[in-house]
Amino acid sequence: KAGVTQTPRYLIKTRGQQVTLSCSPISGHRSVSWYQQTPGQGLQFLFEYFSETQRNKGNFPGRFSGRQFSNSRSEMNVSTLELGDSALYLCASSLEGDRGHEQYFGPGTRLTVT
Amino acid sequence: AQKITQTQPGMFVQEKEAVTLDCTYDTSDPSYGLFWYKQPSSGEMIFLIYQGSYDQQNATEGRYSLNFQKARKSANLVISASQLGDSAMYFCAMREGRGNNDMRFGAGTRLTVKP
Repeated sequence: KAGVTQTPRYLIKTRGQQVTLSCSPISGHRSVSWYQQTPGQGLQFLFEYFSETQRNKGNFPGRFSGRQFSNSRSEMNVSTLELGDSALYLCASSLEGDRGHEQYFGPGTRLTVT
Repeated sequence: AQKITQTQPGMFVQEKEAVTLDCTYDTSDPSYGLFWYKQPSSGEMIFLIYQGSYDQQNATEGRYSLNFQKARKSANLVISASQLGDSAMYFCAMREGRGNNDMRFGAGTRLTVKP
């Protein structure tokens, strides 16, 4: 079974631009979560989508948004990029079930804002 | 408020020895899950082990075991027979409630295995 895939793997953008990151979950997984990882703040939860609906949201400004499609693929968008948005963005998928529904992560998209 | 605390920024262990990575957590929710992840230098987070708050026994997965002390709110990861490939960042994480994938992570511990 294929793992979680994220595209692109690396991205360089300029301040003020916007960016869209894509995540394809493991087949059959309906929950997709997004995280931002930076050296200073560590791993921070952005939001989670389940069956095309945002189910949970972290403490990030409205410039960060996302959506999920009917095939469970998810996109994350960041508008008006700031230097501080430079980070590794990780996507994780999980299968709803009884056993803790552990999350499986993709390789991440490393975003650099200049 | 910080919900997951990993007090060891870095740890060293000799190859083939066991090592314990500490994790304490804070929650008032009786239903929660605790997770450990490994992040090699490549960046991908690898799921290692899970412990549910209602689980009676400590979780084990191969060389990984979780020392769950509920009253002390601690969930330490024990890696037995360390291998060079175990060198990585290790993160403890918690999710509260059910149907909630808002996972909170600790700051991580960088483990270095010495040959």
